[in-house]
Amino acid sequence: EIVMTQSPATLSVSPGERATLSCRASQSVSSNLAWYQQNPGQAPRLLIDGASTRATGIPARFSGSGSGTEFTLTINSLQSEDFAVYYCQQYNNWPFTFGQGTRLEIK
Amino acid sequence: EVQLVESGGGLVQPGGSLRLSCADSGFTFSTYWMHWVRQAPGKGLVWVSRINSDGSSTSYADSVRGRFTISRDNAKNTLYLQMNSLRAEDTAVYFCASGSWGWGVYWGQGTLVTVSS
Repeated sequence: EIVMTQSPATLSVSPGERATLSCRASQSVSSNLAWYQQNPGQAPRLLIDGASTRATGIPARFSGSGSGTEFTLTINSLQSEDFAVYYCQQYNNWPFTFGQGTRLEIK
Repeated sequence: EVQLVESGGGLVQPGGSLRLSCADSGFTFSTYWMHWVRQAPGKGLVWVSRINSDGSSTSYADSVRGRFTISRDNAKNTLYLQMNSLRAEDTAVYFCASGSWGWGVYWGQGTLVTVSS
């Protein structure tokens, strides 16, 4: 099973600033990586698939990069609605696996 | 627009069974892969199972293989998860998701399954 490790566990950033979230895979997942946002009590929301392709309706301030084992989600000009938990997920190998999440909080 | 609504969750004793349903009110259900993902209280996300568009291919996490069965009825636009031999560690919110073979584009709001005596 591929282990996905996200860092940091919690990230404190001020509104309007940039947030950079990292995700590392225990073995190569090529570009088969997705990012999700989850607010408390809600379902995950797809942000990025294919490591860098924004899902429909996702604002351009969200961007994904990386391939192989190292991935980054960057959120520019943080808005109040962006403070949530973010998960990466690999779909290169079954079972698909998620990282443990990064909580993005207001500084 | 795809709208997924889960149902069937509740309180069940260890060793018991439940069947979850996920109804899609859209018109494209039969073209999508469907997935079940769960989240234990206060924990992260875990992929449980997936099924292809015509139901001919399924996959299961090791933790549920042999106990859970995923299926779909494309005529009813509904996805199912039959859960048998339930354990305390199966307690979670269960989300259904639709979209691609590898990731969930559309998600339901989730249904809570509690396994406890």
